[in-house]
Amino acid sequence: GAVVSQHPSRVICKSGTSVKIECRSLDFQATTMFWYRQFPKQSLMLMATSNEGSKATYEQGVEKDKFLINHASLTLSTLTVASAHPEDSSFYICSALRAGGRPNEQFFGPGTRLTVL
Amino acid sequence: GESVGLHLPTLSVQEGDNSIINCAYSNSASDYFIWYKQESGKGPQFIIDIRSNMDKRQGQRVTVLLNKTVKHLSLQIAATQPGDSAVYFCAENPSGGYQKVTFGTGTKLQVIP
Repeated sequence: GAVVSQHPSRVICKSGTSVKIECRSLDFQATTMFWYRQFPKQSLMLMATSNEGSKATYEQGVEKDKFLINHASLTLSTLTVASAHPEDSSFYICSALRAGGRPNEQFFGPGTRLTVL
Repeated sequence: GESVGLHLPTLSVQEGDNSIINCAYSNSASDYFIWYKQESGKGPQFIIDIRSNMDKRQGQRVTVLLNKTVKHLSLQIAATQPGDSAVYFCAENPSGGYQKVTFGTGTKLQVIP
C-alpha cells in the first residue's frame, strides 16, 4: 500500500510552453502533498506544500506564478510549470502524507524528468 | 542558517560488510530525523526515523543512532547487499508534525560484489 504515482515520467518541451505534472496517491488519501525539485547529484529542495482545498505554501525563492500548484482532491495534486525555460529543467518529485499516518512517513512519487529545450 | 549535511559524499563497501552513513545537523530544535534511500531515477524511499528523545532505533537490517551532544546522526546497514546501492539522505523535521522536512546533501553508497 501507500503508492504515489506521477505523470508523466518524462517530458521534453520547447521553451515557453507550459507543462503540467500530476501526482496521485493511489491507495490512500493525502491531506498534504509536497513538491520538490532535484538537480543532478544534488539533494531535494522543497518547492511548496500543498494542502487539499487550500492554497499552496511556497518556499522562499519559489515563484508561485510560475509553479502553479492545485490540490483539488485528497488523491491528486498538480504542478504546472508556466512558460518553462531551460533553467527549469530538473527532476520534479512529489510526496504525500497519508491522512492519519505517521507524520514523518512521506511517500514519494517516482519523479518527473523535465527537459526544456 | 539551519542545515543538515553529510560527512561523506561517497561510500564504497564490500558486499556482506556493514555500512555506516553519517550525517551532521545544526538545528538543535529538530524533533525527528529521517533516513531516505533514493535509487537512480526514482523518488526517495522512507527507511527509518528516530525521535530526538531516543538515541537508537532498529529496523530490518538498519539501525539509526542519534547523538544529540554532537548533533550527529548515523545509519548503519548490516550485511550490505548490492540492492542497497543508492543515495542515502538524512532529513530533519523540526517539530515532528505534518510539516516539511529539510534534506541533507546525500551520500552515495556503492556496494562492491
